[in-house]
Amino acid sequence: GAGVSQSPSNKVTEKGKDVELRCDPISGHTALYWYRQSLGQGLEFLIYFQGNSAPDKSGLPSDRFSAERTGGSVSTLTIQRTQQEDSAVYLCASSTGKNNEQFFGPGTRLTVL
Amino acid sequence: QKEVEQDPGPLSVPEGAIVSLNCTYSNSAFQYFMWYRQYSRKGPELLMYTYSSGNKEDGRFTAQVDKSSKYISLFIRDSQPSDSATYLCAMRNTGGFKTIFGAGTRLFVKA
Repeated sequence: GAGVSQSPSNKVTEKGKDVELRCDPISGHTALYWYRQSLGQGLEFLIYFQGNSAPDKSGLPSDRFSAERTGGSVSTLTIQRTQQEDSAVYLCASSTGKNNEQFFGPGTRLTVL
Repeated sequence: QKEVEQDPGPLSVPEGAIVSLNCTYSNSAFQYFMWYRQYSRKGPELLMYTYSSGNKEDGRFTAQVDKSSKYISLFIRDSQPSDSATYLCAMRNTGGFKTIFGAGTRLFVKA
């Protein structure tokens, strides 16, 4: 289909390792969001990309987290030196603009042992 | 205190019941109010979208916003087992991109 895709769907890693999570937004969508969803918690905003503008990184919880978006399309969220508290579902969403409906991917379930 | 409060449930109802899901919020600047439905192992999908106060109806679903009380509701009529999911409220202010989500309420509709 033409929806948002994320990979991998599941990732198990050991504490201290780095992980990369990938998001392929809907073609033509200029806005891209990353969220984190922990058990019993709402979606926690992490970072927002809009076109070629500088991303809003205000939601990143620590400097171990970073994200980039290449060519205004695919985005990668990188978590360095993973900790057990990083275990969560990481969701990506894209939209045609900041005020428009966000379409979510299925998420990547990250487990840090 | 969280900006958006939502009872996580779970809420279990028999098929055909009317379901009421609610959220309260603290930021009076919120103008856009949304309800998302999230099935297990899936991403959320937008269900209802309301601007400012008032009601909006779409089939079996009705969204209500009471800005004076900072309270929003989603009603589901004639609930079906296929409505079993987690329902998240969400809101943001005018011109803002940052959407604040509630924790989500897990709903089970028993056949």
